[in-house]
Amino acid sequence: KAGVTQTPRYLIKTRGQQVTLSCSPISGHRSVSWYQQTPGQGLQFLFEYFSETQRNKGNFPGRFSGRQFSNSRSEMNVSTLELGDSALYLCASSSEPGGGNSPLHFGNGTRLTVT
Amino acid sequence: AQRVTQPEKLLSVFKGAPVELKCNYSYSGSPELFWYVQYSRQRLQLLLRHISRESIKGFTADLNKGETSFHLKKPFAQEEDSAMYYCALRTGGYNKLIFGAGTRLAVHP
Repeated sequence: KAGVTQTPRYLIKTRGQQVTLSCSPISGHRSVSWYQQTPGQGLQFLFEYFSETQRNKGNFPGRFSGRQFSNSRSEMNVSTLELGDSALYLCASSSEPGGGNSPLHFGNGTRLTVT
Repeated sequence: AQRVTQPEKLLSVFKGAPVELKCNYSYSGSPELFWYVQYSRQRLQLLLRHISRESIKGFTADLNKGETSFHLKKPFAQEEDSAMYYCALRTGGYNKLIFGAGTRLAVHP
């Protein structure tokens, strides 16, 4: 089974621009979560989607948004980029929306650099 | 507030020595706890979860609700165990993991 796939692997953007990151979950997984990883704040939860619905959202500004498609693929969008948005963005998929015997499987991440 | 604390940023041991990576959590309900590991240039991957009570690659972890701890242990460290280890807490039936800051384990020959 193919793992979680994130594209692109690297992105360089300028302050004020917007960016869209993509995530394809493991086949059959319907839950997709997004995390931001920075040296200062570590791994922080952004949001979770299940069956095209956002189930939970972390403590991030409204510039961060996401969506999930009917094939469970997910996209994350960041508008009006700031220097502090530079981070590794990780996507994780799971077969269930949470709890029980459903661990998260992570992708390799998209490294976003904002200049 | 829900929180996961990993007090050590770096743990350096020699091959064959015992290892204990500490994890304490703060949560008033019934927690689900995990250990994730990230080897050099690899993705974050699940190592252990408390509900399984299993041993993976010689590592074990026991949930101690009284001490709110989920320490990761291995009796004899190997060089290939060198990696970044993250303790994580999941609550409320969501796939929202609260991660600790991570501990880098360095096993020297």
